[in-house]
Formats: sequence, C-alpha cells, structure tokens
Amino acid sequence: NAGVTQTPKFQVLKTGQSMTLQCAQDMNHEYMSWYRQDPGMGLRLIHYSVGAGITDQGEVPNGYNVSRSTTEDFPLRLLSAAPSQTSVYFCASSYAPGQYNEQFFGPGTRLTVL
Amino acid sequence: DAKTTQPTSMDCAEGRAANLPCNHSTISGNEYVYWYRQIHSQGPQYIIHGLKNNETNEMASLIITEDRKSSTLILPHATLRDTAVYYCIVRTRNSGNTPLVFGKGTRLSVIA
Repeated sequence: NAGVTQTPKFQVLKTGQSMTLQCAQDMNHEYMSWYRQDPGMGLRLIHYSVGAGITDQGEVPNGYNVSRSTTEDFPLRLLSAAPSQTSVYFCASSYAPGQYNEQFFGPGTRLTVL
Repeated sequence: DAKTTQPTSMDCAEGRAANLPCNHSTISGNEYVYWYRQIHSQGPQYIIHGLKNNETNEMASLIITEDRKSSTLILPHATLRDTAVYYCIVRTRNSGNTPLVFGKGTRLSVIA
C-alpha cells in the first residue's frame, strides 16, 4: 500500500491564482480530511469528509473548496490564492466511523503564495 | 472531546526515558487518550492510544492514572530521531465522524 499520497510536494503561486492540491489513499478509508499548519503552530482542520459525496467544514474553511467523488480521492481547491494561505497542507485518512480510528497522514504540500 | 494540557517543551538525554505528561481532567468515561507525534517537516504519526489500562507497543508505553485525569507517554530509550512535537488528544473511539483536533503539543528535544 502507498498509504496517503499528496501532490505536489512544493508549489509557488501568485496572488489570485487557483490550484488544486491532490490527496489519494489506497486503504479504502471512508474518512478523509485536510489540515493546514503554519510555522510554529499546531494543525488546523480545513475540511473533512466521512465518505464519498459527503463533505463538511472544519475550523478554517474560508478560501478552500473540497469534493469527494470517490472513496480514494479528496482534492483541495484554492479558488483565489492569498498570501495568508502560505502554509503546509496535510491530508489524512482513517477507517469508517465506529472502527478503530487511527489517522494516517500524507507527507504534506508546501505552498507559498506571493 | 475533552481538552488537554501539555508542557510546551521538554529535553531528554539520548538513551534515557522520555516521559511526556498530559492533563485531561474533563475526560469522560468513553473517551480514549491518543498520542501522535510530528517529526520536523513530516505528517503526524500515530503512536499509541488507551482507555484506562496501561498500554505498550513497539514505539512507546502509555500510563493512565486511575482517575484518568492525566496520562504519561513514555519513550523508554529516546534517540535523536525521537525529537518531535508530541500531541495528546482525547476523543471517543467511535469519533470517526468528527475531526481530530490537535493542540500545540510538547516539543521534545533529545540531546546527544
């Protein structure tokens, strides 16, 4: 199993540009989520999904969109990038609700918005 | 999920045991204590979890007090590679519908 994969590893954007951060998992996990981590800070939840077709907002959802058309993929879209979105983004997944819910994290995407 | 309190930072000599405390005085009966860690520039990694009994795995031991209001993560023989931020999280085991909430954790520095 590849686990949780994220692409790209690094990205530089200009203010106002849009892009999609990709996240995929091959463990048949129902639950997936996106976090951002700013320097010296803990992780903050952006959006999460409890299964295909279902998404919900986390702590800091503004400026981001998500969709979950398949169990495997959970892309994060930045609609109009702003310097405040410069951060490291982590995707995570875990088993279906009601089961052991250890979360598995991807390696992260380092995004810089100029 | 109950709130947790951890020291901001700790040092530990290489080869010695690292004992990381966590207070969770408002924990309820069905909430588990989970520990994750994040090594610099990497995604968080699950370490261990427990309900009321002490737990041990290949990475660490978890000691939970009898009243469950606090716990200690023990890395028995810390190495330089254990330098990381350690997060203590309390949540119900069937919380798959709710997100994992990370605080600021404890920054452990293992010193040669």
